[in-house]
Amino acid sequence: DQQVKQNSPSLSVQEGRISILNCDYTNSMFDYFLWYKKYPAEGPTFLISISSIKDKNEDGRFTVFLNKSAKHLSLHIVPSQPGDSAVYFCAASARSGNQGGKLIFGQGTELSVKP
Amino acid sequence: KAGVTQTPRYLIKTRGQQVTLSCSPISGHRSVSWYQQTPGQGLQFLFEYFSETQRNKGNFPGRFSGRQFSNSRSEMNVSTLELGDSALYLCASSPGRGEETQYFGPGTRLLVL
Repeated sequence: DQQVKQNSPSLSVQEGRISILNCDYTNSMFDYFLWYKKYPAEGPTFLISISSIKDKNEDGRFTVFLNKSAKHLSLHIVPSQPGDSAVYFCAASARSGNQGGKLIFGQGTELSVKP
Repeated sequence: KAGVTQTPRYLIKTRGQQVTLSCSPISGHRSVSWYQQTPGQGLQFLFEYFSETQRNKGNFPGRFSGRQFSNSRSEMNVSTLELGDSALYLCASSPGRGEETQYFGPGTRLLVL
């Protein structure tokens, strides 16, 4: 049972345009969501997070939107740059009930930004 | 601050052996979580330690175990290695006080032959 799903295995975007990566979850206990960027054979790098009490969080070129009723979140990267090319993972945790240290990851979306 | 460090970075073992991986968290972080990444299963949670106690556990067999020391450093051990244990093992740390952004180390690549 996959509680966090990223349905698009890959996404290709032109440099300077917007990249939109999507993530769906099923567990209504999740209250904290994170996006990580990962290169092969390296550890994930934290990008941005959002608490379930918010519907939007912005950090520079990265914005995460959360739609709790739809159990959906998305990461927007504007403008996209070739250096953004990597695999992006969505992750969720349920901080209540002391489950905050357990991240559930989606399968990842490979983003390719073409010059 | 120095980031999360993991040793060794690469390891080759044979079936039936055991292995111990080490993780040093970011200074001041008291929570350490371990994850396994494989091509087929993606990133899966193994366990979390906080203040030397296992606080959460994933769905892995008992061959996978861990511990945390008083300085928050953590080790994980895999006994009786199987071919399917070949993976990238990642350690992540967080303050553990409700701020649950986890920061990852570079990982240990384990190959079981």
